[in-house]
Amino acid sequence: EVQVLESGGGLVQPGGSLRLSCAASGFTFSTYAMNWVRQAPGKGLEWVSAISASGDSTYYADSVKGRFTISRDNSKNTLYLQMNSLRAEDTAVYYCAKGALTTVSHYYYMDVWGKGTTVTVSS
Amino acid sequence: QSVLTQPPSVSGAPGQRVTISCTGSSSNIGAGYDVHWYQQLPGTAPKLLIYGNSYRPSGVPDRFSGSKSGTSASLAITGLQTEDEADYYCQSYDSSLSGVVFGGGTKLTVL
Repeated sequence: EVQVLESGGGLVQPGGSLRLSCAASGFTFSTYAMNWVRQAPGKGLEWVSAISASGDSTYYADSVKGRFTISRDNSKNTLYLQMNSLRAEDTAVYYCAKGALTTVSHYYYMDVWGKGTTVTVSS
Repeated sequence: QSVLTQPPSVSGAPGQRVTISCTGSSSNIGAGYDVHWYQQLPGTAPKLLIYGNSYRPSGVPDRFSGSKSGTSASLAITGLQTEDEADYYCQSYDSSLSGVVFGGGTKLTVL
């Protein structure tokens, strides 16, 4: 079964850092781009970042550019999101989602989603 | 403010047909980029519902259909069932932002 499972969420103070992980199984991880999508309490989905299958290309929403870093370890079938300089508005459930293609393109979509991990930024 | 615009809510009675619109611009849907739809049942993660404007993943009932024209796309649900109550999101790619964009989401209520 194709699955992705997030971990690493928690409570962090404003200005702090956190690293999320996403363990993938049931598919050839190194063949697909991967994503982080977040959902603030009571709000809609917001795409945060994506990384190509090889890891050579990364993509970020303007709201996190310069603060978040996406990476992957294809030998461990794991996706990461390093979040620095966290703000209250980063509070959300963070979903890991498998891309349906090798890289982000005009036809790109996400076909498998994890259950999410909650990040709360508060003092 | 989302790049893709959806109505906040729609409703319908069981058995009826409803449509959800998704309006974009020349840098996303109007540029010919594909639109995809996700269903998020209460308290759960999103699930892919429609990809490539009109294709259904395996297991999605044919009551769900998608279409695209110009700078807009639509999701149609026929034969409404109570279990269709959920939030629905459209998604595309935006060349100005060089990234993925979502609509603000539409809450479907089955009366």
